[in-house]
Amino acid sequence: NAGVTQTPKFQVLKTGQSMTLQCAQDMNHNSMYWYRQDPGMGLRLIYYSASEGTTDKGEVPNGYNVSRLNKREFSLRLESAAPSQTSVYFCASSEARQNYEQYFGPGTRLTVT
Amino acid sequence: QQQVKQSPQSLIVQKGGISIINCAYENTAFDYFPWYQQFPGKGPALLIAIRPDVSEKKEGRFTISFNKSAKQFSLHIMDSQPGDSATYFCAAEAWGQNFVFGPGTRLSVLP
Repeated sequence: NAGVTQTPKFQVLKTGQSMTLQCAQDMNHNSMYWYRQDPGMGLRLIYYSASEGTTDKGEVPNGYNVSRLNKREFSLRLESAAPSQTSVYFCASSEARQNYEQYFGPGTRLTVT
Repeated sequence: QQQVKQSPQSLIVQKGGISIINCAYENTAFDYFPWYQQFPGKGPALLIAIRPDVSEKKEGRFTISFNKSAKQFSLHIMDSQPGDSATYFCAAEAWGQNFVFGPGTRLSVLP
């Protein structure tokens, strides 16, 4: 039981490049989330998927797209990376969207130069 | 827009002391208040959570105190240990809305 896994752990991109961050969970959770963490800002929600087949914007969705590939997998895509997207990205999952513990992955540290 | 304020930004405590982290909110619709603990290089993990129908919840050395009228809640770590050194985030959630996290408190417990 690995919980929530994320790949890659580290990535360096040049401005304008694209990439996809992968996330998978093995807890049979319905809801999945993508957050970014910046110093002094806490965790800010980028996108979430309340259940398989649905995705919705969070607080900071601009510059990102997501795909809920199946119940296990939820990917985050940066189409044209910008230095402002330098951050640590966390994927999380929960049994359902409301009032349930969110389980976080280990994070992806992304640097855009 | 930061809906949950958290203080202090950083905290240094001697081993055996009490660590106190405070959070305040404005949205009276919030009905779930978790605290997450994050070690360097790791993702956050749930530490303890409270709902507004109780004023205090204790789990081992960790206690949440909740003051609904003041719209404040706090985390108390008794007998703080060096292994408690981490960043702590308070959060709040209202039905139909997403978690809102505080900016975090970096706790260092000196041996």
